[in-house]
Parts: sequence; structure tokens; C-alpha cells
Amino acid sequence: QQQVKQSPQSLIVQKGGIPIINCAYENTAFDYFPWYQQFPGKGPALLIAIRPDVSEKKEGRFTISFNKSAKQFSLHIMDSQPGDSATYFCAAAVKAAGNKLTFGGGTRVLVKP
Amino acid sequence: NAGVTQTPKFQVLKTGQSMTLQCAQDMNHEYMSWYRQDPGMGLRLIHYSVGAGITDQGEVPNGYNVSRSTTEDFPLRLLSAAPSQTSVYFCASSYVGYGGSSYEQYFGPGTRLTVT
Repeated sequence: QQQVKQSPQSLIVQKGGIPIINCAYENTAFDYFPWYQQFPGKGPALLIAIRPDVSEKKEGRFTISFNKSAKQFSLHIMDSQPGDSATYFCAAAVKAAGNKLTFGGGTRVLVKP
Repeated sequence: NAGVTQTPKFQVLKTGQSMTLQCAQDMNHEYMSWYRQDPGMGLRLIHYSVGAGITDQGEVPNGYNVSRSTTEDFPLRLLSAAPSQTSVYFCASSYVGYGGSSYEQYFGPGTRLTVT
């Protein structure tokens, strides 16, 4: 049973579009929510992270929205570019328990030129 | 800095064979972990370590052993390979997060393992 559910599994957008990836979690003890980006043949790399005391965080063209009451968070990629084509994973952790991450199933994003 | 390195990149095993996946990091990170990545399942934690001599089980530890004799190295041993262990394996490292802190995890390039 996945504690972090991610949707959709795949997404195709045109250049300039805004892919949106959604994640839902069950464990209310989670208090750290990172997103990782993975290119083919590479390991995941941290993209952006949020804590539940904020509702939104932006870093460049990437925005996380967080809804604590609904236990959901999402990633928006503004003005998407072909170079953003990758697999994106949401994750969650309990800070007091250290660095053990629980990952969502991943979303493969393709940005067409 | 090489970061996190993993060897081999690819491996094919027959059912019942054993092997060790190697992982090393040069960032002096206390925390190291092994994940397996399967389609639609994301990454699942196999084993982790918060320092030399200390290891613990993650979500899917069965069939795997680990040890941590140095800060730099964290090998993963498959005792008797099974087709269900066909996967991509990632090693990661970070500073230890205690009591209210979490740190970015740095992932290696992965080992693609096929068990026939």
C-alpha cells in the first residue's frame, strides 16, 4: 500500500504549457515534502521541497502548492521547456525520523517543442 | 568530488546467484541508503545506515544484506537472486537528519539488474 499516491503516471504538454503533477499522502506525521527530477539513465536529483507551514513555494519555473487539510500537494512547471522532459517523483518524510523518504510512483513528463 | 558512485552499471544474474552492488561517496555523508526503482512503484527503501557500523531495514529488505564498515562505502548484497529482484538500484547519501531536520539526498547513477 503506497503511502504517497502520485498522478498522473504520464503527461504530454506543448512547449510553454503548464504540466501539473498531484500527490496525496496518508500519514499525517509527514512534515517534509521534496520533489525529485530524474532524467533517463540518471539518478534522481532534488528539485524543490516544502514544509507544511507554507502553502506555496516557487523556485524559478517550478512551484509547489500544499494543502495540509486535504493532505495533498502538487508541482506546477510554468512555461515548460523540452529540457524539462523527465520523470518527477514526489516524496514525503518525517523530519524527526531523519532522512527516510517515501516516494510516489512517479510521473513521466514529455514537453513537445 | 565524484559524488555518489555505483558499480556495476549493468548486471545479469541467474536465479540463485549472489552478488554485491557497490556504492561509494566522497562527501563525508553519515547517511547512506539503497532504493530499488520499479515502474509505477517509485523508489522503495531497502536498507539504510546513519553511520559506520549502524544499519537498519527499510520498506523492502527481504533478500538483501548490507554492512557499513566505513563512512564512504555501503555495499548491497543479494544473497540468492530471484527474478523479482530485477530492478534498477540506486544508492543515495546525505547528512543525517535528526530531531526536526531533513537534508537533500544525493543519488548515484544506478545499477540495472536483470535476474533470469
